[in-house]
Amino acid sequence: GDSVTQMEGPVTLSEEAFLTINCTYTATGYPSLFWYVQYPGEGLQLLLKATKADDKGSNKGFEATYRKETTSFHLEKGSVQVSDSAVYFCALSEGGSEKLVFGKGTKLTVNP
Amino acid sequence: EAEVAQSPRYKITEKSQAVAFWCDPISGHATLYWYRQILGQGPELLVQFQDESVVDDSQLPKDRFSAERLKGVDSTLKIQPAELGDSAMYLCASSLLSGTYEQFFGPGTRLTVL
Repeated sequence: GDSVTQMEGPVTLSEEAFLTINCTYTATGYPSLFWYVQYPGEGLQLLLKATKADDKGSNKGFEATYRKETTSFHLEKGSVQVSDSAVYFCALSEGGSEKLVFGKGTKLTVNP
Repeated sequence: EAEVAQSPRYKITEKSQAVAFWCDPISGHATLYWYRQILGQGPELLVQFQDESVVDDSQLPKDRFSAERLKGVDSTLKIQPAELGDSAMYLCASSLLSGTYEQFFGPGTRLTVL
């Protein structure tokens, strides 16, 4: 079945550091890909998405590019802030289905 | 800003007891989802409703879990009897239309079974 693998956490960075969180997927078709973020005590929020190969999703300084050849959707940000501290989930939705399949999540802590 | 509401936020119960969680989706959202998130894992879909009809409940442990959305608006998820392994965060999400893919999540109910 479909699955998502993302890098193990936790990740600890200093403010203004560069962030990469790796995500790879396995799917039978052509899924849509997502990054969700979960701040402490809150529900998941959609951060960005991409629906086809080579699409780049971006939001709040975060970016991820849908790479079909490497089945990847890595999350990047050039300069993280303390307020970016959260758990980040990579997810996919198979074409025609709304079911989201999530990775295990990566906890990011940004220190001032 | 419209939000998905869930209650209670926290629930502690003893095994073999019954528990129920409530979700009120964003007004006008036809699709409603219940997810279970075990500590350290990503959410897993338990059940999906389109209006009042179940679309997918393939991962719902039907011997002890039940879900309903009688009027196609709010929803209740019930566990009876609760087991130790049911300790998790239960998340509700909703989306406006089928196929839009953007799901809006509530804050969740943290269940602890003793």
